[in-house]
Amino acid sequence: AQSVTQLDSHVSVSEGTPVLLRCNYSSSYSPSLFWYVQHPNKGLQLLLKYTSAATLVKGINGFEAEFKKSETSFHLTKPSAHMSDAAEYFCVVTPTGTASKLTFGTGTRLQVTL
Amino acid sequence: KAGVTQTPRYLIKTRGQQVTLSCSPISGHRSVSWYQQTPGQGLQFLFEYFSETQRNKGNFPGRFSGRQFSNSRSEMNVSTLELGDSALYLCASSLTGVSYNEQFFGPGTRLTVL
Repeated sequence: AQSVTQLDSHVSVSEGTPVLLRCNYSSSYSPSLFWYVQHPNKGLQLLLKYTSAATLVKGINGFEAEFKKSETSFHLTKPSAHMSDAAEYFCVVTPTGTASKLTFGTGTRLQVTL
Repeated sequence: KAGVTQTPRYLIKTRGQQVTLSCSPISGHRSVSWYQQTPGQGLQFLFEYFSETQRNKGNFPGRFSGRQFSNSRSEMNVSTLELGDSALYLCASSLTGVSYNEQFFGPGTRLTVL
């Protein structure tokens, strides 16, 4: 069985400051981990994925995440927030070898202020 | 390339009725997964179809069913609707459903049960 815990339901940052969205995972197997973003009234979009290759994963729009097995964490970061980053972010886990049975975290709403 | 399309985008039904939702995957994609998104339970996996066969299933009652056609289009059916079935239903497609194949999500069908 696998699960993810997103430690913050809401994060507010100022434009131009760093973003940190925290995610811890639990998995009986070697997991694949993903971050998805959902803008209002739009579908989910994949930001980045970890599938047992490099532990530091770079995604779209300047986001990156680091897989830390010892801490069972997969935190999402971005050096400088933009207004367009305001959205709901989901940390997702699935057993390695399948991407079709995704287990989602509860989501973190990112607010970006001027 | 056209994205994942879902029809209808909005539905209003009453308790006890049944409903069918449709999903057209990206051309060439053979795996289609369905998810339910509610404020209380978040995003939950319903089931996945690959080559017209259900390959994975989540923890939903038998009232929720699906099928996939030879052209990979998929339908999801919910019978005997309950108020708690009100949700955003998301469909996702991928080439084969394994972890290195990105899942692409549609915009969803918002179902309201009165």
